[in-house]
Amino acid sequence: EPEVTQTPSHQVTQMGQEVILRCVPISNHLYFYWYRQILGQKVEFLVSFYNNEISEKSEIFDDQFSVERPDGSNFTLKIRSTKLEDSAMYFCASRSPSGGENSYNEQFFGPGTRLTVL
Amino acid sequence: AQSVSQHNHHVILSEAASLELGCNYSYGGTVNLFWYVQYPGQHLQLLLKYFSGDPLVKGIKGFEAEFIKSKFSFNLRKPSVQWSDTAEYFCAVRAAGNKLTFGGGTRVLVKP
Repeated sequence: EPEVTQTPSHQVTQMGQEVILRCVPISNHLYFYWYRQILGQKVEFLVSFYNNEISEKSEIFDDQFSVERPDGSNFTLKIRSTKLEDSAMYFCASRSPSGGENSYNEQFFGPGTRLTVL
Repeated sequence: AQSVSQHNHHVILSEAASLELGCNYSYGGTVNLFWYVQYPGQHLQLLLKYFSGDPLVKGIKGFEAEFIKSKFSFNLRKPSVQWSDTAEYFCAVRAAGNKLTFGGGTRVLVKP
């Protein structure tokens, strides 16, 4: 069964450093998402991406964050200058196009990347 | 803004007991509702979803959920749990747009 994959599984970085989290969505999916979960808190939406552009983003997704689909398979989240409060589990998700106006296919999630900012 | 609340943070029960996890959301319009499960060390997996039609939805592994529009609820149930149901369960709502809004999760521990 096709899966969303994410690398690395765990990333440790120093405050102020740039990190890139990588995701390989399911191959025929066209909608891509990043979510994060700070320890002990809810899973929070960060950004959605479709047709090579951001379709929606949350207040969390400020200028320090960016997303890119550099080739036909990868979907990346970059944090330019990490802060302590960026420590969290970051989940990538992807979704295939809906079957029509009255359907909505579910999002498939990757295993997550645990980001630790020291 | 939409929000989702799950009533229990932790549930401990014995095998063969019945399970019901509460989920309430706040949004007045049309919603899609989901329950995801995260087994230890694994990623979020879809248990079931509600889009329209029959408000009683059956999912994988013997789970079901009932959408009660008047109560803004989408509670998850399983008549008889197994040790392998030990996991964290997340209710999620899609209202406007594409994003999912998640509840805080409920950790379920099934004792053998």
